[in-house]
Amino acid sequence: QKEVEQNSGPLSVPEGAIASLNCTYSDRVSQSFFWYRQYSGKSPELIMSIYSNGDKEDGRFTAQLNKASQYVSLLIRDSQPSDSATYLCAVKTGANNLFFGTGTRLTVIP
Amino acid sequence: GAGVSQSPSNKVTEKGKDVELRCDPISGHTALYWYRQRLGQGLEFLIYFQGNSAPDKSGLPSDRFSAERTGESVSTLTIQRTQQEDSAVYLCASSLVLGPRNTGELFFGEGSRLTVL
Repeated sequence: QKEVEQNSGPLSVPEGAIASLNCTYSDRVSQSFFWYRQYSGKSPELIMSIYSNGDKEDGRFTAQLNKASQYVSLLIRDSQPSDSATYLCAVKTGANNLFFGTGTRLTVIP
Repeated sequence: GAGVSQSPSNKVTEKGKDVELRCDPISGHTALYWYRQRLGQGLEFLIYFQGNSAPDKSGLPSDRFSAERTGESVSTLTIQRTQQEDSAVYLCASSLVLGPRNTGELFFGEGSRLTVL
């Protein structure tokens, strides 16, 4: 069983819509959760971190964490074509290691 | 430097040759990670260094792979007797450590693209 699982997509949404990206993880003791964005041919960059249950909002991005269900999600409101990228979910285990999912490819259609 | 620096950016080698990839992390970041990303795939963890602690080598795929780190600065990833399946982008990332734990917020270099013919 993989540590971190994501739907690979591709996920296509029209411009202005809400994009919903989901991630599940297997290690119950995981404490820290991250979303990274990776444009084609570029390195990943951190866009959101979340450490406690509930929602965390930053501009058009909202991260949601449910530790009981071992589930973390990212919502992108008012999606823009510039949001088109692969979104990687990452989970930090108690050993300070950081495992990434395979990523969900998002395309925002103008 | 201002960011994580990796070299070479591109490396083409023949099957069976050894290669060495270098990573210079952000100054003050004592945690350093190496990941491998094959074309169209996710990030595969290879090795993790934090300060003077023993590195976490659990992700190294075979004994052909090794990595070292000089103190809390430069790291080198060495692949011996390269195989075509080693072709990938090798990404290095560094992270700030606060107290006993690192923040988990990684800053990535631009990667080293390795092609094994």
